Amino acid sequence: SYDLTQPVSVSVAPGQTARLTCEGNRIGYKNVHWYQQKPGQAPVLVIHRDTNRPSAIPERFAGSNSGNTATLTITAAQAGDEADYYCHVWDSRTAVFGGGTRLTVL
Amino acid sequence: EVQLVETGGGIVQPGGSLRLSCAVSGLRVSDNYMTWVRQAPGKGLEWVSIIYDDGGTFSADSVEGRFTVSRDTSNNTVHLRLDRLRVDDTAVYFCARVYGGNHFDYWGRGTRVTVSS
Repeated sequence: SYDLTQPVSVSVAPGQTARLTCEGNRIGYKNVHWYQQKPGQAPVLVIHRDTNRPSAIPERFAGSNSGNTATLTITAAQAGDEADYYCHVWDSRTAVFGGGTRLTVL
Repeated sequence: EVQLVETGGGIVQPGGSLRLSCAVSGLRVSDNYMTWVRQAPGKGLEWVSIIYDDGGTFSADSVEGRFTVSRDTSNNTVHLRLDRLRVDDTAVYFCARVYGGNHFDYWGRGTRVTVSS
């Protein structure tokens, strides 16, 4: 089975840049998607296919993917960005999620 | 506007069964891949099952043989039948649309399943 590893937590000061990583074997050869989930809510897609941002997502959210690491970068972090973030890939017919990263803006 | 609304959750004893439903509006389930994802209390997301546009299905090893995904195209609804439930199946179950066979772009709010004696 394919494993995705995310740091449990990341902290960032308001206005600074947060980088959330997702590690997997040769993940650079896969399409990586990222979801934001706030407490009690459904996940929201923030990045798809490595770098693509849905129209409703601010430009402050950006994705990259190379080698064994995919990264979600949030620039000028805001209090409203506090959430859990999950990366997602497909391993053959199975969807795989990372364990999630809790982003704290403080 | 696309909406997905899950229903059918509840409290059930170990070994019991439930049928979850996901009523979809704004897109046709017959034209899309639809999937179920669950989240145990305080835990991360776990993929459960998928139904393809041709009606074929596939499930995670953890639920294979116990959970069955299906659809009702006349009512534009996707179902997840949960049999032989275990305590560790306790979770919020979300349905979502799989866009282009890739990412999950529309999600419902979820329905809670609690398996407890």
